[in-house]
Amino acid sequence: AQTVTQSQPEMSVQEAETVTLSCTYDTSESDYYLFWYKQPPSRQMILVIRQEAYKQQNATENRFSVNFQKAAKSFSLKISDSQLGDAAMYFCAYRSGEDDKIIFGKGTRLHILP
Amino acid sequence: AAGVIQSPRHLIKEKRETATLKCYPIPRHDTVYWYQQGPGQDPQFLISFYEKMQSDKGSIPDRFSAQQFSDYHSELNMSSLELGDSALYFCASSLGVPDTQYFGPGTRLTVL
Repeated sequence: AQTVTQSQPEMSVQEAETVTLSCTYDTSESDYYLFWYKQPPSRQMILVIRQEAYKQQNATENRFSVNFQKAAKSFSLKISDSQLGDAAMYFCAYRSGEDDKIIFGKGTRLHILP
Repeated sequence: AAGVIQSPRHLIKEKRETATLKCYPIPRHDTVYWYQQGPGQDPQFLISFYEKMQSDKGSIPDRFSAQQFSDYHSELNMSSLELGDSALYFCASSLGVPDTQYFGPGTRLTVL
């Protein structure tokens, strides 16, 4: 069975600094997708970034980028120039190419210090 | 841009009552997914529908049922509610299965 592990329950970063959230996953499949979702206090689930496993190039969305290490099954999220609005719970997530369901990690709560 | 719409946003029920949650996907999206997020938990997949047919099934209790209608909206029916059913219920939609799932704002169900 596939699993997603986020080893950092909470993290803090100074405003305007850079922070990296860690995520590892376990799968025996070759076709899959990885995601980072953000859940602010409003509890809305917001897609931050998506990575297809077959793509070697790391995905980037403005201040958000990932470091996808397929062999190590690692998928970390880097947030540059952190802003107060980035404060949220961040979920790393996995979806098999054959399944509908998304499997989420336990989440990392990110605090932004002014 | 239009997003996934869920109604109601908040719902309070007594134990053993029934509840119906509705989901309206993003226009042209043909696939809907339901997730349950308990307090302090990560979301857990319940069930999904593609083109009005059940596509995948997760840890959905037998007391729950769902369907997708001809206009692609979906309803999650929950009967014999238990205290443990109190949670945030998300609906997500996509255009086909491999596409990214976009989540609605959720329905917060409280069972007293």
